[in-house]
Amino acid sequence: ETGVTQSPTHLIKTRGQQVTLRCSSQSGHNTVSWYQQALGQGPQFIFQYYREEENGRGNFPPRFSGLQFPNYSSELNVNALELDDSALYLCASSLRLAGTETQYFGPGTRLLVL
Amino acid sequence: AQTVTQSQPEMSVQDAETVTLSCTYDTSENNYYLFWYKQPPSRQMILVIRQEAYKQQNATENRFSVNFQKAAKSFSLKISDSQLGDTAMYFCAFIRQGAQKLVFGQGTRLTINP
Repeated sequence: ETGVTQSPTHLIKTRGQQVTLRCSSQSGHNTVSWYQQALGQGPQFIFQYYREEENGRGNFPPRFSGLQFPNYSSELNVNALELDDSALYLCASSLRLAGTETQYFGPGTRLLVL
Repeated sequence: AQTVTQSQPEMSVQDAETVTLSCTYDTSENNYYLFWYKQPPSRQMILVIRQEAYKQQNATENRFSVNFQKAAKSFSLKISDSQLGDTAMYFCAFIRQGAQKLVFGQGTRLTINP
C-alpha cells in the first residue's frame, strides 16, 4: 500500500456529462500527478499539481482540468465526456525536493462513458 | 520526445524460475531516471525498482534487479525465484531530471505458473 487513495473506485457516466475524481496524496507528499490508462495501454500523463497550481501538462484538451487543495489532495475534472474518455484514471503523489522524485500511485478510478 | 519500448507483450514462466523483461528507451538527455512498476489485476501500480542514470551500479531490491546499459539505452528487469504473486503487468517508465511526466512503455504481461 502506498498511502495514496482515490475515489470513487468505479464510475459510469453518459456522453456529455461532467465527472470529478478525487485523490488524497501520501502523508508528507506535496505533489500530485494524474494519468489516464486506456485498456491494454501504459498510462499517459495528464497534468501535475504543485503548490496548488498546474505544473506541467500532457497532450490533453482543456476540458480536462484539476485542482489541488492546501492539504495537497487533488481533483481531476472532465467536462463534456466522450466515449474515448473511458479509462482507468491514476493519481500519483510525490515529494518535491530536488531532482526527480519517485511517484507513488493510488489504486485508480475506472470510468466508463456510455 | 522520449519513448519507451517494451518488445515482449506477454511472458510466462514456472514458479521458482528466473525471468528477464526487456525495455529500451530513446532520449537525448543525459540525466534521467528509470523505473519498473508492477500492476497486478487489482490495478494498483506498485513501484518495483528505480535506477538513476548517473549511477553505474545496477539497482537491486530483493529478488528484483536491473541490467542498466546507458550507452545502449537498455533497462531490463530480472526477477529471480519467481513467485505466483509476481503475476502482473510490468511497465518500464522514464522521466528526465526535473520533469513532471513519467513516460511509460506498453507493458509486459507476466504470468507465473505453478
